[in-house]
This record gives sequence, C-alpha cells and structure tokens, in this order.
Amino acid sequence: GAVVSQHPSRVICKSGTSVKIECRSLDFQATTMFWYRQFPKQSLMLMATSNEGSKATYEQGVEKDKFLINHASLTLSTLTVTSAHPEDSSFYICSAGPARGETQYFGPGTRLLVL
Amino acid sequence: SQQGEEDPQALSIQEGENATMNCSYKTSINNLQWYRQNSGRGLVHLILIRSNEREKHSGRLRVTLDTSKKSSSLLITASRAADTASYFCATDATYNQGGKLIFGQGTELSVKP
Repeated sequence: GAVVSQHPSRVICKSGTSVKIECRSLDFQATTMFWYRQFPKQSLMLMATSNEGSKATYEQGVEKDKFLINHASLTLSTLTVTSAHPEDSSFYICSAGPARGETQYFGPGTRLLVL
Repeated sequence: SQQGEEDPQALSIQEGENATMNCSYKTSINNLQWYRQNSGRGLVHLILIRSNEREKHSGRLRVTLDTSKKSSSLLITASRAADTASYFCATDATYNQGGKLIFGQGTELSVKP
C-alpha cells in the first residue's frame, strides 16, 4: 500500500513552546490530508482536514489558532501545536490517500509529551 | 464526532479460535474501512468495503456490511497471538467530501498462546 510518514515520532517539550509535526505522502500526491488525535486507550478523533493550497477545515471544538495546519505542497502537511500545555500531550496521527473515497493510509504517529 | 460503535470493547480468545468484532454506524456511507493498531503504533489498513458490497475476504479476514442495519463485522479466523491488537472500524460518510474517516471506539483483541 501507499506510504505516509510522520516526523518526529516522539517529542518532549516544555509548556508554552510550539511543536511542529510533519506528515508526508511518500509515493503519491494528496490534495487532502487529515489530522487525528488519540488519547490513551481511546479511539482516534478527527481534528482537521488539511487542504493543499487553501485553509484547513477544523472539526467542532478544535481551536484553529491552537493547532495550525499548513498544506504547502501535494506531499506535505504540517501541524503546529502552539503554546503547548500538558493537556495537549497525546498521540497525533495523520492520514492521506491517493484518491478521495478510497483507502486512507496512516502515518506512524507522533507522541507528544508536554511537561 | 464519533459515529461508530464497536462491540465488544474487549475480546480475549485462545490461539486458533475465531474472533468476531462488530461495528455500527449512524449515517449513509461511501465505504467502511477496518484498521488494526498495535499498542502505541500507527494504524494498518486491513480492508475497505464499499456501500454496494456485502462481503469481502482477505486472507484470514472476512468483512461483512449490512447497510440496512448500518453495521459491519470483522471476522478473524484461526487467530494467532500476533493478531493481538486494537481493531477499529472507520466510515467515510456520504455527506463528506470524501476521505474523512470517523472512527468507532475500537475492540481490543487479546489472543492467548
């Protein structure tokens, strides 16, 4: 199947700092990518839809100024957690697919720990 | 918002037995996808079943879809200890632009050697 990568895989930061997470589609182009968050022992919650060349679409309850999304090219979307706080500690996962309505491939995830 | 519900939430079986997980959802869908997640890892895609399909097979996996009941099931036959993981269903709803998945709560499967 298609490959989606994420970087970094793990990050520990101090409260108040900003953290950038990259999501790349390695062998296909993706006009749309998705960002999810997963807390321990829970399911994935969709945060936002990242749209190449336009603004991201955020799910209800997700602060767009807190979670900045930039989809600068057809193979790269970035999620920046601004002024991170301990409650932002979570597992962040992105997904992308070669075509709409088809299989979504997930990155390996980024574990964020805010101290 | 979460659309799917899965049952059971946890399932413990012996190696060689079959494991069945069920998923229910609320709205019309384009497709339904099943994923597997090992603890602390990313998701691995298992099967995609479209709204006009009723059953699909892949190796030891069998997925059914009943759109009239808005439900799906995942059957793993002849389970192995390596099948131990969390399993999620995810729906691509027709009201979406396509690609956005809403996940069920997941089933935590434990296969004992």
